[in-house]
Amino acid sequence: EPEVTQTPSHQVTQMGQEVILRCVPISNHLYFYWYRQILGQKVEFLVSFYNNEISEKSEIFDDQFSVERPDGSNFTLKIRSTKLEDSAMYFCASIRGLAGNEQFFGPGTRLTVL
Amino acid sequence: ILNVEQSPQSLHVQEGDSTNFTCSFPSSNFYALHWYRWETAKSPEALFVMTLNGDEKKKGRISATLNTKEGYSYLYIKGSQPEDSATYLCASRSSGSARQLTFGSGTQLTVLP
Repeated sequence: EPEVTQTPSHQVTQMGQEVILRCVPISNHLYFYWYRQILGQKVEFLVSFYNNEISEKSEIFDDQFSVERPDGSNFTLKIRSTKLEDSAMYFCASIRGLAGNEQFFGPGTRLTVL
Repeated sequence: ILNVEQSPQSLHVQEGDSTNFTCSFPSSNFYALHWYRWETAKSPEALFVMTLNGDEKKKGRISATLNTKEGYSYLYIKGSQPEDSATYLCASRSSGSARQLTFGSGTQLTVLP
């Protein structure tokens, strides 16, 4: 069964460093999402991406964040200058298309900022 | 801003017991309600997507109901097994949004053998 994959599973970085989290959505899906969960808190929406551009973003998704679909298969989340409060589990998700409702999630990348 | 709440936060049951959890969500501009089952280190697994008031869905021993007028959904597990141990997340999607989900905090279920 097709699945969303994410790499790495765990990333440790120093405050102020740039990180890129990678996702490979399901191949025939059209909408892509990033969510995050800070330890002990709810899963929060960050950004949605469709047709090679951001369709919606939350207040969390400030200028330090960017997303890209560089090659038609990968979907990346970049954090330019990480802060301690960026430590969280980051989930990628994708949805089949305009008529589809079910979002398929990857296993997440745990980001630890020291 | 959507506020999705789940209760209880955690639950311990004996193998064979039946159990249920609650998800409440704002009923205005409602579009869909999702239930996910999430085990540590794995992807959240989609259980149900429900859109219509009165919807009831079933998958094996797990079922869910939806009341969009009062803004709640119940998830039922009949005859719990240790392998049902997981966090059960509900998420709501409002109409007009780019399909992003607003999650509850989850119910952590532990089924004791």
